Amino acid sequence: GAGVSQSPSNKVTEKGKDVELRCDPISGHTALYWYRQSLGQGLEFLIYFQGNSAPDKSGLPSDRFSAERTGGSVSTLTIQRTQQEDSAVYLCASSLLDEQFFGPGTRLTVL
Amino acid sequence: GENVEQHPSTLSVQEGDSAVIKCTYSDSASNYFPWYKQELGKRPQLIIDIRSNVGEKKDQRIAVTLNKTAKHFSLHITETQPEDSAVYFCAANSYGGSQGNLIFGKGTKLSVKP
Repeated sequence: GAGVSQSPSNKVTEKGKDVELRCDPISGHTALYWYRQSLGQGLEFLIYFQGNSAPDKSGLPSDRFSAERTGGSVSTLTIQRTQQEDSAVYLCASSLLDEQFFGPGTRLTVL
Repeated sequence: GENVEQHPSTLSVQEGDSAVIKCTYSDSASNYFPWYKQELGKRPQLIIDIRSNVGEKKDQRIAVTLNKTAKHFSLHITETQPEDSAVYFCAANSYGGSQGNLIFGKGTKLSVKP
């Protein structure tokens, strides 16, 4: 079956612009996760959804970051007024039980 | 909440040697421990997992051991090959925390020299 998909695969933007990153989880997976991975670094947890609700948003790096999930499926991560330090790969994962399945990521470059 | 520590952060071995990566966890309620492999430029993928009702699990050249009393678990790769070069992440499940169901270690970069 189809795995987790993310779009776009690559995004180059100018400092100060807003960007939206999309995640399509595996159908039926109730939980959805967003991580950030800088070059050569580990998985930085950002936020997760159980259904459409995000129990805790404290992992988001700043108030420029927001995320939503609608219909218990697609999720969007929005970064406003992008900064160069936002450049990273943004990974999405989904799960039904224990195992998390990762998407291919969106590589964001802020010039 | 759960905390997962992973060591070493980097590991270099000769082809054919064994590699061992160790993780410790803090929450005695954790009962699921997966290992993910992330090749350069790719997504993390599950390679093996273990539940707390067993002490060891093997899959060809890969094995995982779990010591519930000491709260640590390890990944063992035997007869390493260049294609084993990747970053490996351990994780432990967590209930009621702020990060969802899995807490990840910081990763180990394994380099296998031919």
